Amino acid sequence: AQSVTQLGSHVSVSEGALVLLRCNYSSSVPPYLFWYVQYPNQGLQLLLKYTSAATLVKGINGFEAEFKKSETSFHLTKPSAHMSDAAEYFCAVSLYNNNDMRFGAGTRLTVKP
Amino acid sequence: DSGVTQTPKHLITATGQRVTLRCSPRSGDLSVYWYQQSLDQGLQFLIQYYNGEERAKGNILERFSAQQFPDLHSELNLSSLELGDSALYFCAAMETPNEKLFFGSGTQLSVL
Repeated sequence: AQSVTQLGSHVSVSEGALVLLRCNYSSSVPPYLFWYVQYPNQGLQLLLKYTSAATLVKGINGFEAEFKKSETSFHLTKPSAHMSDAAEYFCAVSLYNNNDMRFGAGTRLTVKP
Repeated sequence: DSGVTQTPKHLITATGQRVTLRCSPRSGDLSVYWYQQSLDQGLQFLIQYYNGEERAKGNILERFSAQQFPDLHSELNLSSLELGDSALYFCAAMETPNEKLFFGSGTQLSVL
């Protein structure tokens, strides 16, 4: 079955600094990959999605992720962190035509002023 | 607002009891997922329904069951509740064909 592993349960950055959240996937076939964000007391919201059209995927709120097949990675980045980016971020994987989406354990991002 | 509605928002009950959580997807969303989120287990996939039929099962306990009705709303039934079942239960509906999940705001279950 497909799965994802998020490296680092907590990441802390200063406002204006680069955000890098790491995700590695495991899949026997080309996967769909996702990043979701969860703000306190809310459900998850989709940030971006990879579907093999392009390896660099741009999402909302200035986030982007790059699919690297050789490294089985799909890391999330943002050039300059904002206080409003503080939240929990989840990487997820599903297989084409198989609506079975699996989430990573999540990474809590803290942004310091 | 994702358009996916979950009720109730909060539920407090006692051990041994049974509860039903309800999820109403957006119009046209055939696929519904249930997830459990807790501090120790993270976000765990429980079960998925597609157009009324069970499509995939995750880490769902035998004490838990779900169904999806003809109007596509879904219910998650939790029985013989234990303290460890206290968690946030999310429902999500999938938009096809782009496989984008829309999450409800969750039901916070507290078992005392």
